Amino acid sequence: DTGVSQDPRHKITKRGQNVTFRCDPISEHNRLYWYRQTLGQGPEFLTYFQNEAQLEKSRLLSDRFSAERPKGSFSTLEIQRTEQGDSAMYLCASSRHAEPYEQYFGPGTRLTVT
Amino acid sequence: AQSVSQHNHHVILSEAASLELGCNYSYGGTVNLFWYVQYPGQHLQLLLKYFSGDPLVKGIKGFEAEFIKSKFSFNLRKPSVQWSDTAEYFCAVSGNTGKLIFGQGTTLQVKP
Repeated sequence: DTGVSQDPRHKITKRGQNVTFRCDPISEHNRLYWYRQTLGQGPEFLTYFQNEAQLEKSRLLSDRFSAERPKGSFSTLEIQRTEQGDSAMYLCASSRHAEPYEQYFGPGTRLTVT
Repeated sequence: AQSVSQHNHHVILSEAASLELGCNYSYGGTVNLFWYVQYPGQHLQLLLKYFSGDPLVKGIKGFEAEFIKSKFSFNLRKPSVQWSDTAEYFCAVSGNTGKLIFGQGTTLQVKP
C-alpha cells in the first residue's frame, strides 16, 4: 500500500517541550496539506505545500508552529513550546496538482500534551 | 465566511433504514464538494465528490449525494444502511486552492 503515512502515530509530551511530526505523501502527489482535528470536530486546515513551496498558512498556525517540505517530498510539522491546547490529532493529506485536488489522508498523529 | 454546516450530529438507525445526512455550505465562487467517512479505528476515506457535471453523484458502498446549487446543499443518501456503515461522516468544501473546509461531522450508529 503506498498511501499517505505519518510518524509517529502517538506522541505524549510535557508542556513546554518541542515536538516534530513527519508526513510522507503518495509519491506522485505534489500537494501536501496539514490539518488538525480535536474531539467532536471536523478537521481544520493548517497549511499546504505545492512541491516545496508553502502556499498558505491558516491563522490557526501560530508562530510556535512551523512546517517544511524541503525537497518537495516528505513534510515535517514542528510545534515549539507545546501547550495543553495543542492536544489534537494532526492529519496529513496529499493530492495531485489538479482540480478538484482530491485529497488522500494519512492515519494521523495523536498528540497529548500533559 | 467560508463554512460547512452538518445538521445532524448523531444519527441512530436500524439496518435497512434509509439514510439522509444534511450538509449546507457557505463559500464564494466555484466549489468542489466532498463527503469523507471515518470508520472506527481507521483514517479518513473519500466517499464521493462533486466538482462539475451531473449534480447527482454516486460513491462507494451504495452512497450518493445531490448537489443543489440554489440551496447550497450537498446531502448524502443511502437507501438501505448496513451495520458496517457505522462511522463518522464529514462533509467538506474546497475552492481553487484545494484547501478543505469540513463540517463538524455526523456520527452514524446502525443497530443490527
